[in-house]
Amino acid sequence: NAGVTQTPKFQVLKTGQSMTLQCAQDMNHEYMSWYRQDPGMGLRLIHYSVGAGITDQGEVPNGYNVSRSTTEDFPLRLLSAAPSQTSVYFCASGTGRILYEQYFGPGTRLTVT
Amino acid sequence: QQQVKQSPQSLIVQKGGISIINCAYENTAFDYFPWYQQFPGKGPALLIAIRPDVSEKKEGRFTISFNKSAKQFSLHIMDSQPGDSATYFCAAGYGGATNKLIFGTGTLLAVQP
Repeated sequence: NAGVTQTPKFQVLKTGQSMTLQCAQDMNHEYMSWYRQDPGMGLRLIHYSVGAGITDQGEVPNGYNVSRSTTEDFPLRLLSAAPSQTSVYFCASGTGRILYEQYFGPGTRLTVT
Repeated sequence: QQQVKQSPQSLIVQKGGISIINCAYENTAFDYFPWYQQFPGKGPALLIAIRPDVSEKKEGRFTISFNKSAKQFSLHIMDSQPGDSATYFCAAGYGGATNKLIFGTGTLLAVQP
């Protein structure tokens, strides 16, 4: 199993541009989440999903959209990038059989200029 | 508003010493308290976790102590090794169906040889 994969690994955007961060998992996990990690702020939950077709907002959802059309994929869309969205983004997945155990991807480092 | 407060921000320990990281929470609805370990350039990985009906859980050199009345929990790393040098995050989870986690701000641990 590849586990949780994220693409791209690095990305530089100009203010106002849009893009999609890709996340995929091959473990048949029901739960998937997106976090952003900023110095001194820890990991903050952006959006999460409890299954295909179901998504909900986390702590910091503004400026981001998600969808979950399949169990495997959970893309994160930045609608109009802002410098405040410069961060490292982590996707995670988990199964309800081991509650709250989440497997994290390697992260995407995004810089918005 | 930080729902899970973590301290210290950084910690330096000599090899063989005990590393102690503390966390405090406010929301009594939290029902699961995991610790994650993150190495540079990697995503966080689950280290150990505890439920509030247990006061202590030990796995190898890692121990969680939980004080429900004080709403505090801590991670103890016994016989700390240079390989333990990483960032540690406490977290709290609630709402079992959502697999939703709120993270602390992280502690950067350096174990000196």
